[in-house]
Amino acid sequence: ETGVTQTPRHLVMGMTNKKSLKCEQHLGHNAMYWYKQSAKKPLELMFVYNFKEQTENNSVPSRFSPECPNSSHLFLHLHTLQPEDSALYLCASSQVPDGTDTQYFGPGTRLTVL
Amino acid sequence: KNEVEQSPQNLTAQEGEFITINCSYSVGISALHWLQQHPGGGIVSLFMLSSGKKKHGRLIATINIQEKHSSLHITASHPRDSAVYICAVLLIQGAQKLVFGQGTRLTINP
Repeated sequence: ETGVTQTPRHLVMGMTNKKSLKCEQHLGHNAMYWYKQSAKKPLELMFVYNFKEQTENNSVPSRFSPECPNSSHLFLHLHTLQPEDSALYLCASSQVPDGTDTQYFGPGTRLTVL
Repeated sequence: KNEVEQSPQNLTAQEGEFITINCSYSVGISALHWLQQHPGGGIVSLFMLSSGKKKHGRLIATINIQEKHSSLHITASHPRDSAVYICAVLLIQGAQKLVFGQGTRLTINP
């Protein structure tokens, strides 16, 4: 399998649930990203990881907890979310994390918080 | 006001028409990206440029650093070009991260 994959593709959860989003890249890249895309709003960067180390946290609430066990896998752990957290969550990867390189995106997880 | 503004927000055209989507930004940048997002969410990177012009198939991207403006052109448009086109800039100052425009929704009718 090639490219960037994300699971699940759709997720519905209650405000008291705990769930995790998974991203996997098969491109040999060193940098991975989580983005949030809410309806009617531009894409927002959430987190950046470079060689498994977090290099950017864009003031994301602590109810979103990222984990990068290796440079091919990235998780976003979710707990006690709010309805306004409903959005499309996109993972991406690139060779370098500085924005000068092409980023390859996964298909996204569409999250609905009830 | 967003640092990155795209126009138009929505564009509908007939198959075969020449399409132009504009992106203006108000800050110093080191690079600009054009992305394409199809229904369902998947995003594909089309171009990254820091000066001049790039061409790939029927797509052409230009940037004028002095005027803080970039355009994405599509020649001989086709219904499969229907998508949201997103401009993103890499800021010179501050953390090196991309700042995104709100996107232009393009619909090409047969």
